[in-house]
Amino acid sequence: AQKVTQAQTEISVVEKEDVTLDCVYETRDTTYYLFWYKQPPSGELVFLIRRNSFDEQNEISGRYSWNFQKSTSSFNFTITASQVVDSAVYFCALRGGSSNTGKLIFGQGTTLQVKP
Amino acid sequence: DGGITQSPKYLFRKEGQNVTLSCEQNLNHDAMYWYRQDPGQGLRLIYYSQIVNDFQKGDIAEGYSVSREKKESFPLTVTSAQKNPTAFYLCASSSGTARGTEAFFGQGTRLTVV
Repeated sequence: AQKVTQAQTEISVVEKEDVTLDCVYETRDTTYYLFWYKQPPSGELVFLIRRNSFDEQNEISGRYSWNFQKSTSSFNFTITASQVVDSAVYFCALRGGSSNTGKLIFGQGTTLQVKP
Repeated sequence: DGGITQSPKYLFRKEGQNVTLSCEQNLNHDAMYWYRQDPGQGLRLIYYSQIVNDFQKGDIAEGYSVSREKKESFPLTVTSAQKNPTAFYLCASSSGTARGTEAFFGQGTRLTVV
C-alpha cells in the first residue's frame, strides 16, 4: 500500500522565521515520484516541485528548499525567511510506478500561517 | 491563458437532488481527474479518465458519476446516493499518466447540502 503522512496539521510562525514541513511516505515501488503542492485560500493547488526516486539531490528555489532522503522515506520542505504570502495549505503527494492511472496519493496537508 | 476552469465556485444542493459540477481544460491534456477534499483528510480520488470516452473509478466513486465525451470536458455528477456530499471538489488534468507528469488543478467547487 502507498501512503503519505504529514504529521503537522497546523504550523504558525512569525514572518522571517524559517519553517520546515515534514512529509513521510510509504511505497513498495522502486520507481516513484514525490510532489509538493501549495493551496492558497483561493483553492486551486499550485505545483511546487517534483522529485523522482532516483534523484536524492536536494533542491533550492529561491526561499524554498527540499530535502529528499530515501533512507528515512522523507521529503521535507523548508521555507526560509517566511512571508505572509506563504500562508496556505501545503500538500505532499506520491505517485508510484505500479499503476498507470496517474493517481496521486496525498498527505493530509499542513496549514501554514505566517503572522506579520 | 491555458488552464482548468471549474464552475460553479459554490453550489448548494437539497437532499435528494443530483447536481453536476463542470470542469473544462484548454491544456490539450489527455488525462483528467476528480478529487474530493475534506478537512484534515487531504485529497481523495473519485474518478479519472485517461482518454476520451473512457473513465475509471477511483477510491471513493460511490454516489458519483462522470462522462468524458470531449477531450476538454470532464463533468462530475453528485447523485442522491452520495450520503455525505458536502465537500470541496477539485478537478485536475495532466498530459499523461506517466509517473513524473505533474497535474494541474482548477480552483475547485465547494458543494454544500442544505
